[in-house]
Amino acid sequence: NAGVTQTPKFRILKIGQSMTLQCAQDMNHNYMYWYRQDPGMGLKLIYYSVGAGITDKGEVPNGYNVSRSTTEDFPLRLELAAPSQTSVYFCASTLPSGNTIYFGEGSWLTVV
Amino acid sequence: AQSVAQPEDQVKVAEGNPLTVKCTYSVSGNPYLFWYVQYPNRGLQFLLKYITGDNLVKGSYGFEAEFNKSQTSFHLKKPSALVSDSALYFCAVRDGRNTPLVFGKGTRLSVIA
Repeated sequence: NAGVTQTPKFRILKIGQSMTLQCAQDMNHNYMYWYRQDPGMGLKLIYYSVGAGITDKGEVPNGYNVSRSTTEDFPLRLELAAPSQTSVYFCASTLPSGNTIYFGEGSWLTVV
Repeated sequence: AQSVAQPEDQVKVAEGNPLTVKCTYSVSGNPYLFWYVQYPNRGLQFLLKYITGDNLVKGSYGFEAEFNKSQTSFHLKKPSALVSDSALYFCAVRDGRNTPLVFGKGTRLSVIA
């Protein structure tokens, strides 16, 4: 029972490069989320999805893109990486109606 | 819009003493309230939640939280702190319409032996 799986765990990017953070869940959850965590700032929502083919912007979507072609996968794309995107990224998933949200172990990204 | 406030950046307690980590919230509808814990270099682990019913919610590792609607608070408590409880604690809220969780900034709990 893997839960929410994120890859890669660690990555260093150069300014202007692009990359995709992968997220997969095996719990048949409808809802999936991407958050970023910056020191002393809590977690900020980047994008979320309520089901395959449906995505919505969160609080801090600029510089990111997402897609949801299947229930299981919710990749986060960083285009033209900037130092401000240095952060820890968390993927999460849940069923609707107040159920517990489950988090992946995080992806540490550094842009230099 | 939903919001969560954790007024203390850091809480220090002695091992064996009771601990409280404070949280207040603001939502337009009925609140769904959560506490998560994060250990260094790890993801967030679910501790407990309030959806409806009894105002005192019991969760993992001996933690509990009290929902107070009049004070819009959901403070996390434990009767006797352990050194292993030292971690970063997040309060989060969503309203009843399946909106995403909104997190507080986190409170770092240090339990001193």
